[in-house]
Amino acid sequence: QQQVKQSPQSLIVQKGGISIINCAYENTAFDYFPWYQQFPGKGPALLIAIRPDVSEKKEGRFTISFNKSAKQFSLHIMDSQPGDSATYFCAASKGSGAGSYQLTFGKGTKLSVIP
Amino acid sequence: DAGVIQSPRHEVTEMGQEVTLRCKPISGHNSLFWYRQTMMRGLELLIYFNNNVPIDDSGMPEDRFSAKMPNASFSTLKIQPSEPRDSAVYFCASSLRTVAYEQYFGPGTRLTVT
Repeated sequence: QQQVKQSPQSLIVQKGGISIINCAYENTAFDYFPWYQQFPGKGPALLIAIRPDVSEKKEGRFTISFNKSAKQFSLHIMDSQPGDSATYFCAASKGSGAGSYQLTFGKGTKLSVIP
Repeated sequence: DAGVIQSPRHEVTEMGQEVTLRCKPISGHNSLFWYRQTMMRGLELLIYFNNNVPIDDSGMPEDRFSAKMPNASFSTLKIQPSEPRDSAVYFCASSLRTVAYEQYFGPGTRLTVT
C-alpha cells in the first residue's frame, strides 16, 4: 500500500513538445503529492506539488493533473526545453499527522529533450 | 543561503573499511533525513531525525549502519564495515517542519566500495 508507481522509465521529447509523466498510488491516506527534479550529480529538488482538493496546479510550464478517484496524478511539461532534461520523481506523503515526514518516491523518469 | 552541505562528494573505499558521511543541514531546519539512492531500489529513507533525536530508523539496512546528530548543525552516517552492496549515492535532506514536502536535499555522496 506504500507504493507509488511511475511511468515511463524514460522519455524522449523534441524541443517544444509536451512531456507527460504518470504516477499511481494505492494508499488513500496520501494527501500530498510533490514532484522532484534531479539533474545529474545533484540532489532532488522540489519542483511542484499538489493536494487532492484540487484537480490541477500550474506553475509556469509545469502542470500537475490529479485524479483522486483513479488514484493517479501526472506531470505535464509544456514547451519542453533541453534544459528540462533531468530525472523526475513523483512522490506522496500523508501531509500531516503521524508519518507525515515520510516521502514515498516513484522510481523516476529520465527525460531527454532533444533539439 | 547555503543549502544542505554534504561531504565528501565522492568516496571510494575497500570492503571492510569504515566510512563516515557528513551532513550540515540548512540553518534553522529541525528535521534531517538520510536517504540512499540506487538504480535498483530508487530513493530509500534510511533514518529521520527531529530536533536531533532519531525518530524513525526502520530504513537502516543493517547494524553496520549507524547515524548520529550531535547538534542541530551536523549529522553523520557511518558504515562499519562497508561492503560492495553499500555502493550508492547517499543524500542528506533537511526541512523546517516535520511535514515531508518541504525537504531540501544536499548534493549527495557517491560511495563506491570495492
